[in-house]
Amino acid sequence: QVQLVESGGGLVKPGGSLRLSCVVSGFTFRDYYMTWTRQAPGKGLEWISYISSSGNVVYYADSVRGRFTVSRDNANNSVFLQMNSLRDEDTAVYYCARKDYSRGLDVWGRGTTVSVSS
Amino acid sequence: EIVLTQSPGTLSLSPGDRATLTCTANKPVSTSYVAWYQHKLGQAPRLLIYGASRRATGIPDRFSGGGSGTAFTLTISRLEPEDCAVYYCQQYGSSELYAFGPGTKLEIK
Repeated sequence: QVQLVESGGGLVKPGGSLRLSCVVSGFTFRDYYMTWTRQAPGKGLEWISYISSSGNVVYYADSVRGRFTVSRDNANNSVFLQMNSLRDEDTAVYYCARKDYSRGLDVWGRGTTVSVSS
Repeated sequence: EIVLTQSPGTLSLSPGDRATLTCTANKPVSTSYVAWYQHKLGQAPRLLIYGASRRATGIPDRFSGGGSGTAFTLTISRLEPEDCAVYYCQQYGSSELYAFGPGTKLEIK
């Protein structure tokens, strides 16, 4: 059974940091790109980052570039999102998703909630 | 940069009706890399359509996608109460950005 489980969310003050994790099972992790998408309260889905299967190619949305870093550990079937210099507007539910070459984001986790507030 | 817009913003229909949702891109998008997702409150988003017209695994044939170039549609026939959700289109072919559209909220009366 294909499964993605995010963790690491929580309450943090503006300027603080958090590291999100996504552990996957049920498929060959090293064969797939992985992505992070978020949904702020009352807003739509916002794609924020992806990482290639080997980890050597990464991309970020303008809203997080320079503050967030995506990485992966293929030996332990995990992808991470290091979030620094957090702002109020980073408050959201963060989802990891598998990116299939032809099918798009075909499997999603249930998300982890990040709240940035003083 | 590819920017997607969706219309209408909100759609209110009755059970049994047909819903037609539109996604428009500011520049041509490869048909091979357009997807539609369903997102219900408190749940993970779910892939419905990929490659503009291909149904994902387990998606009923009431859901269909079409279009090409800059205009794409998601049609949901024979609406059921469980179809109440926000629907997003996305392009995933660009090497840089996998932007979502702003979404269409579907209400079932």
